[in-house]
Amino acid sequence: ELKVEQNPLFLSMQEGKNYTIYCNYSTTSDRLYWYRQDPGKSLESLFVLLSNGAVKQEGRLMASLDTKARLSTLHITAAVHDLSATYFCAGGFGGTSYGKLTFGQGTILTVHP
Amino acid sequence: EAGVVQSPRYKIIEKKQPVAFWCNPISGHNTLYWYRQNLGQGPELLIRYENEEAVDDSQLPKDRFSAERLKGVDSTLKIQPAELGDSAVYLCASSRGQGARGGKETQYFGPGTRLLVL
Repeated sequence: ELKVEQNPLFLSMQEGKNYTIYCNYSTTSDRLYWYRQDPGKSLESLFVLLSNGAVKQEGRLMASLDTKARLSTLHITAAVHDLSATYFCAGGFGGTSYGKLTFGQGTILTVHP
Repeated sequence: EAGVVQSPRYKIIEKKQPVAFWCNPISGHNTLYWYRQNLGQGPELLIRYENEEAVDDSQLPKDRFSAERLKGVDSTLKIQPAELGDSAVYLCASSRGQGARGGKETQYFGPGTRLLVL
């Protein structure tokens, strides 16, 4: 059974600083997703990582995947207040287990001046 | 394109009462998911549909929960009777399906139904 752990669970950042959220997963996963959730809102897809060494960037966020280490990272560059949200990573599979995403606990990010 | 639509957005009921949630997926999305998200946690899958067939309901508490997806489009999730521990946000998501792009489709989530059982 796939288990996904994120750290840190809480992250308070100053605007302009850089930081990384880590996502470890327990068994081989075919794909790794990152989602963002604003308070009281639903989940917004950020990235889908499909292969070892995959790197994707959108604005101030960059996600990477190391399947050998079973680790994905979400790097935040020069944080701004608008990035304050909860970030989830989720592992998934193909085949008969297609569609079953296992989510981490989430990282609550607060960016302050 | 329109996103996943869910209703109601909020529901407050007393324990032992029934409750139902409705979901309309993104047009053309064959796969539909129901998740439950407890406070401070990530979503957990309850059931997955491929068209009208429930292909994974292993996490659905079948003694009180039921779901249907008639005609392979809209879906309803029901709880009867509700218990205090059922208080959570119930999220519906959809994707194109396993056949699309080698089965690596992103799941798109609806706004959720926030359930409070008193």
